[in-house]
Amino acid sequence: GAGVSQTPSNKVTEKGKYVELRCDPISGHTALYWYRQSLGQGPEFLIYFQGTGAADDSGLPNDRFFAVRPEGSVSTLKIQRTERGDSAVYLCASRRTGEETQYFGPGTRLLVL
Amino acid sequence: SQKIEQNSEALNIQEGKTATLTCNYTNYSPAYLQWYRQDPGRGPVFLLLIRENEKEKRKERLKVTFDTTLKQSLFHITASQPADSATYLCALSTGTASKLTFGTGTRLQVTL
Repeated sequence: GAGVSQTPSNKVTEKGKYVELRCDPISGHTALYWYRQSLGQGPEFLIYFQGTGAADDSGLPNDRFFAVRPEGSVSTLKIQRTERGDSAVYLCASRRTGEETQYFGPGTRLLVL
Repeated sequence: SQKIEQNSEALNIQEGKTATLTCNYTNYSPAYLQWYRQDPGRGPVFLLLIRENEKEKRKERLKVTFDTTLKQSLFHITASQPADSATYLCALSTGTASKLTFGTGTRLQVTL
């Protein structure tokens, strides 16, 4: 597609469950970022991939959060043992090598009950 | 710690006027600064980027200034229209591959 796509658009789960959020970056973009946005706040960085490897995972809040990008394209953010405080919009962005602009997807709205 | 501040209160202006949004930062040495627009339920959309060695950037009705001495960027929308109503986010980065650090955003409301 033309832009970054994310699925699902909405996810409701129960406390303690496991969830997976998917990101399809713009074709040809080697850099991929995950951010989390709480209501009334700006996005907060979680993790950055360059190709298949995580180049910076300093924003992951704890070891319940994990992300993969096995083939250097699609990425999955995985959250184990979800907590109510994990409720937020999870945004994915991609960037072409050599350029500064990050292009964001529409986000996945996660609600943990 | 690093801090990026944007007007937390909504900015209400009349159609046709110039909207000016402020972004201030502390404990940060950005290589460049970006402005994004975000509509409700949508992801941020890139508007403009300005580098640390640039003072001003323009694109159509948009203008950004960057003062690394004052640690401040101003974002201007001239001849504002109701369609410009949205939240505008300021984001800083230390390099091309680096993460973006965002402010909390300023909500702009343009009325007829």
